[in-house]
Amino acid sequence: EIVLTQSPGTLSLSPGERATLSCRASQIFSSDYLAWYQQKPGQAPRLLIYGASSRATGIPDRFSGSGSGTDFTFTISRLEPEDFAVYYCQLYGSSPTFGQGTKVQIK
Amino acid sequence: EVQLVESGGGLVKPGESLRLSCAASGFTFNTYTMHWVRQAPGKGLEWVSSISSSSSYIHYADSLKGRFTISRDNAKNSLYLQMNSLRAEDTAVYFCAKDGVRFGGSYCYYFDHWGQGTLVTVSS
Repeated sequence: EIVLTQSPGTLSLSPGERATLSCRASQIFSSDYLAWYQQKPGQAPRLLIYGASSRATGIPDRFSGSGSGTDFTFTISRLEPEDFAVYYCQLYGSSPTFGQGTKVQIK
Repeated sequence: EVQLVESGGGLVKPGESLRLSCAASGFTFNTYTMHWVRQAPGKGLEWVSSISSSSSYIHYADSLKGRFTISRDNAKNSLYLQMNSLRAEDTAVYFCAKDGVRFGGSYCYYFDHWGQGTLVTVSS
């Protein structure tokens, strides 16, 4: 079973700053098979990125994903007030796996 | 517009059963794998189970140990989760989610639409 480890656990930044989140897999898998989600309190998760780097429908281009092998990165180029939330990475598969999440909070 | 509406959550005692439902609309239900994902209070997301478009392929998280059964009724555009022998650790919000790939077969891809969730509380 592949384990996804996200870092940091919490990221404290100011609006306008760049956020860089990491998702590391315990073993190599198909490099396209990773998604990223945003979740705000009391809401369902929202798909942001699939296929490691493809933005979902309606997702602003300040959100981007990259990586391959075991190391993947999610970036918000300039944080907007509505971007402060928890972000999860997810591995595709017969038993999909989520990372434990990174909370992006206002500094 | 894709809509997923869960129902059936509530407060039950340990050992009891509960059946969750998810009513889907706005897409061709019988062509997509569907999923249940749960989130314990204050915790992260945990995939629970998936069922392929024609119910040919079904997967469960190992942690469930055969207590849950996923099913679907394509004629009713509905997804179900039968939960038996419930435990305190099953307390969570249960989300219904649609796979992002049409005719995905046995594979589970990503979750492109989610319901609002239904809360299951297991407590004596």
